[in-house]
Amino acid sequence: QSALTQPPSVSGSPGQSVAISCTGTSTDVGGHSLVSWYQQSPGTAPKLILYEVNNRPSGVPDRFSGSKSGNTASLTISGLQAEDEGNYFCTSYTSTSTWVFGGGTKLTVL
Amino acid sequence: QVQLVESGGGVVQPGGSLRLSCAASGFTFRNYNMHWVRQAPGKGLEWVTFIRNDGNNQFYTDSVRGRFTISRDNSKNTVYVDMNSLRVDDTAVYYCARDFRWGFDSWGQGTLVTVSS
Repeated sequence: QSALTQPPSVSGSPGQSVAISCTGTSTDVGGHSLVSWYQQSPGTAPKLILYEVNNRPSGVPDRFSGSKSGNTASLTISGLQAEDEGNYFCTSYTSTSTWVFGGGTKLTVL
Repeated sequence: QVQLVESGGGVVQPGGSLRLSCAASGFTFRNYNMHWVRQAPGKGLEWVTFIRNDGNNQFYTDSVRGRFTISRDNSKNTVYVDMNSLRVDDTAVYYCARDFRWGFDSWGQGTLVTVSS
């Protein structure tokens, strides 16, 4: 149950687009379309922003989108806003009926 | 609205035990699978355990299997995790989370478990 691999940090200016990758293996990310993404601000619980790779829960802006190719999933945030700053985590269901998270990526809005 | 409220955290010595509870409201609890997810101080999220809506299936991450037991009482809208043989590296904020399409769509505020001598 090794953690999924995310870049430790990304940054972008307001209005720009940023992408965060999430790399696993054929037993997790590559084996299912069951990747979800979470946004977390310090001291608060995570918030679901994408499920099943590219589906947004109600209330999540369409600036957030997802994709997957092979063993790597990606979260793209377009039209970056100051409020998007925070930590982002991916997770995937696995072939052993468990879930595995990525290490998290800190997004800084410059 | 959906609400999940964890309780039972605290300070415990290595080798000790603790029971966490998560009281759910605002939705039909018996229809949903539930999880516990933890976050060590300053670290990332770690999935811990899952229980099916009817209580008939449970899954665990390797590091807690055999030490932690998840259960639920649908008559009380509550999910539990019994934690035994606690280790220093079990120190974390423990969140309960509602399952949604193999993700986690609602989270509690978390309860802090500190394992220290």
